[in-house]
Amino acid sequence: GQQVMQIPQYQHVQEGEDFTTYCNSSTTLSNIQWYKQRPGGHPVFLIQLVKSGEVKKQKRLTFQFGEAKKNSSLHITATQTTDVGTYFCAGDQGGKLIFGQGTELSVKP
Amino acid sequence: EPEVTQTPSHQVTQMGQEVILRCVPISNHLYFYWYRQILGQKVEFLVSFYNNEISEKSEIFDDQFSVERPDGSNFTLKIRSTKLEDSAMYFCASNGPGGRRTEAFFGQGTRLTVV
Repeated sequence: GQQVMQIPQYQHVQEGEDFTTYCNSSTTLSNIQWYKQRPGGHPVFLIQLVKSGEVKKQKRLTFQFGEAKKNSSLHITATQTTDVGTYFCAGDQGGKLIFGQGTELSVKP
Repeated sequence: EPEVTQTPSHQVTQMGQEVILRCVPISNHLYFYWYRQILGQKVEFLVSFYNNEISEKSEIFDDQFSVERPDGSNFTLKIRSTKLEDSAMYFCASNGPGGRRTEAFFGQGTRLTVV
């Protein structure tokens, strides 16, 4: 079945540094979604990418969807302590979400 | 803002006992899901439910698991005879207002501990 791989597993940064997490799917995706899970919390939707090569921005967050629709990335510019949490990509397979392993971001003030 | 609600927030049960986890999806959503997250691991799909029937289920969702929508608002996950390895956070999710499946809205989760 479809697999979604995400790296790195952990990322520790100093506040103000940038952060990137990468996501790769074993198959072409119809769309990809990104979620953030705060420690002890539940996944919260961030964004959905649908088109090949799509780039979307939300303030300091930049999301990209690869040309082949098999990979995606999330880049955070100038991290803040409020960015702490685990970021998951999820491939949408007819409504069913196949999650990557997540990247846990910690930010040192 | 509408939200998915789950009860209880934490359930401790003895191995072999039956548990029922409850969810109230967002009222105008048509698609309902259960996901599981073992501590420190990724979120795993269990089952999707639409039009009063299961539309898809994963390998994890074996005969010990069942789902039900007993009335117009609740969506339940039953584990018939719990095992130690069923200990996890269980998330309910819903989407599909008006039939359009966009992002999934997750509940706060039920932490199930099997002892």
